Amino acid sequence: GAVVSQHPSWVICKSGTSVKIECRSLDFQATTMFWYRQFPKQSLMLMATSNEGSKATYEQGVEKDKFLINHASLTLSTLTVTSAHPEDSSFYICSARGRSGSSYNEQFFGPGTRLTVL
Amino acid sequence: QQQVKQSPQSLIVQKGGISIINCAYENTAFDYFPWYQQFPGKGPALLIAIRPDVSEKKEGRFTISFNKSAKQFSLHIMDSQPGDSATYFCAASISGGGKLIFGQGTELSVKP
Repeated sequence: GAVVSQHPSWVICKSGTSVKIECRSLDFQATTMFWYRQFPKQSLMLMATSNEGSKATYEQGVEKDKFLINHASLTLSTLTVTSAHPEDSSFYICSARGRSGSSYNEQFFGPGTRLTVL
Repeated sequence: QQQVKQSPQSLIVQKGGISIINCAYENTAFDYFPWYQQFPGKGPALLIAIRPDVSEKKEGRFTISFNKSAKQFSLHIMDSQPGDSATYFCAASISGGGKLIFGQGTELSVKP
């Protein structure tokens, strides 16, 4: 159980266009979803936290107008990279945390989306 | 105070050997310490996690050792196999909604 999917797995786009990445929890309801960015050979950098039905909370230094996050349902969150530029090329990973009696804060990660901006 | 420091950055181990990765934290409010395994081009997958009320947790070949007083925890991989070659991340968080704070990662290579 606890499967998170992402779509697309990879995308190439032209500079100036917008790209939408979907994150779905397939077998549980995700009350909170997280979006990370990872550059080669580096750790995961949290971009934002989104709770279903409310606005996302962005980490310091992340442009909320550039990285639009929507968490409209308990199984779907989307990240839209607006007016993408080559420096936005990265590996984007989502994770989801569900309703649970556990207090351990377990997050389940998606497989990631490789974005390349030409 | 929110940082989690991980070492070494890279590690080469012979097949059958023990791989040891260490992490240290400052925030004493952290109460959940997971380890993730990540293969190239894939998302991280939870390996094993520990709470601070126990000093050790073992699952198969993977063991977490936790030293609350030293604010350190480590991952031991026994009988390391080439298939274990991956990047390993430690993390820490506060239960009940806290975000995960990741270490810098350790690239493990297990030589046949």
